[in-house]
Amino acid sequence: GQQLNQSPQSMFIQEGEDVSMNCTSSSIFNTWLWYKQDPGEGPVLLIALYKAGELTSNGRLTAQFGITRKDSFLNISASIPSDVGIYFCAGQGQGGSEKLVFGKGTKLTVNP
Amino acid sequence: KAGVTQTPRYLIKTRGQQVTLSCSPISGHRSVSWYQQTPGQGLQFLFEYFSETQRNKGNFPGRFSGRQFSNSRSEMNVSTLELGDSALYLCASSLFYSGVDQYFGPGTRLTVT
Repeated sequence: GQQLNQSPQSMFIQEGEDVSMNCTSSSIFNTWLWYKQDPGEGPVLLIALYKAGELTSNGRLTAQFGITRKDSFLNISASIPSDVGIYFCAGQGQGGSEKLVFGKGTKLTVNP
Repeated sequence: KAGVTQTPRYLIKTRGQQVTLSCSPISGHRSVSWYQQTPGQGLQFLFEYFSETQRNKGNFPGRFSGRQFSNSRSEMNVSTLELGDSALYLCASSLFYSGVDQYFGPGTRLTVT
């Protein structure tokens, strides 16, 4: 089945630093999504990408849908303490009716 | 608009028992998907219901089942609980079948002892 490799698994950064994380797939995806999960809560959708090469921003967050359609990147600029959490990528394959596949997450710690 | 709600939030059960979890989607959303989240495996898809019919199913044993009611509320049942079933169970709703913009509830933390 489809698998997503998300890296890095964890990051420890200082407040104000920029962050970059990525996801790669063994197969082509039609849609890429990025979620953030706070402790004790469900994931919250941050950014959705629907087209190869698409670059979308949401405040300090920017995500890109890779040209090969097998990868996606999420960047966070000028990190703040409330950026702490686990970030998940998710993708949907070409079938349109396929289930979402999730990466295992990147745990972000921001030191003030 | 109220978000996705899940009840109960926390549950402790004994091995061999069964459990039923409930999910109420966002008003107007007709699709409900269930996921199991564990530290080792991440988010694993269980199944999706749309218009009271299971439309998609993940690779879980038959002990995991679900249903959806006419008001789109959904329940998930796990029979003959095993220690490995301890996890956070999340449901997510979307407007349409296989909708990618899924909105998650806070989850039910199930502990099996």
